[in-house]
Amino acid sequence: NAGVMQNPRHLVRRRGQEARLRCSPMKGHSHVYWYRQLPEEGLKFMVYLQKENIIDESGMPKERFSAEFPKEGPSILRIQQVVRGDSAAYFCASSVTGTAGSGELFFGEGSRLTVL
Amino acid sequence: AQSVTQLDSQVPVFEEAPVELRCNYSSSVSVYLFWYVQYPNQGLQLLLKYLSGSTLVESINGFEAEFNKSQTSFHLRKPSVHISDTAEYFCAVRANQGAQKLVFGQGTRLTINP
Repeated sequence: NAGVMQNPRHLVRRRGQEARLRCSPMKGHSHVYWYRQLPEEGLKFMVYLQKENIIDESGMPKERFSAEFPKEGPSILRIQQVVRGDSAAYFCASSVTGTAGSGELFFGEGSRLTVL
Repeated sequence: AQSVTQLDSQVPVFEEAPVELRCNYSSSVSVYLFWYVQYPNQGLQLLLKYLSGSTLVESINGFEAEFNKSQTSFHLRKPSVHISDTAEYFCAVRANQGAQKLVFGQGTRLTINP
């Protein structure tokens, strides 16, 4: 009974490279959320997706960041041309009912991106 | 929009002492309230939540939180802490209408000293 699975757990990239972070939600969950945690800070909402749809991307930087949750396969958070300020822990969460209900969010263990 | 303020970034206490982690929120609509715990190098785990009904909610490991609407607070308390409670604690809020995101506070690092 696997929980939310994120990979890679650790990723090192040089400035200008691309980072792809993957998230497989819990079985039966069709709602996925991405959060970013900068050092010594709380979690900041980035994007909320349902299968094949972006519901809320109000927390996504306007450039270089994109997210998808295809019909088949994991959700992907993609960061193009990474900069040092992108270094952070990126957490994925999933839920059954989405934020319209009182459903609990289940979090993965995070992907820690380091940009050299 | 909602916002959450956790007034203490770090709280050191001795083992078996009581602790209170403070959380205040701001919202123009009714909300659900949550406390999550993050152990080192792990993801967040739900500790307890307030949705409706009794304003005092409890977790299975001895924590409790009380929703105070007039003070817009949801402080977390434990009467006697253990070394294993060392972790970062996040308060979060979500509007209870429509599809709304979960908004987190900055976190409080609880350190238990023997």
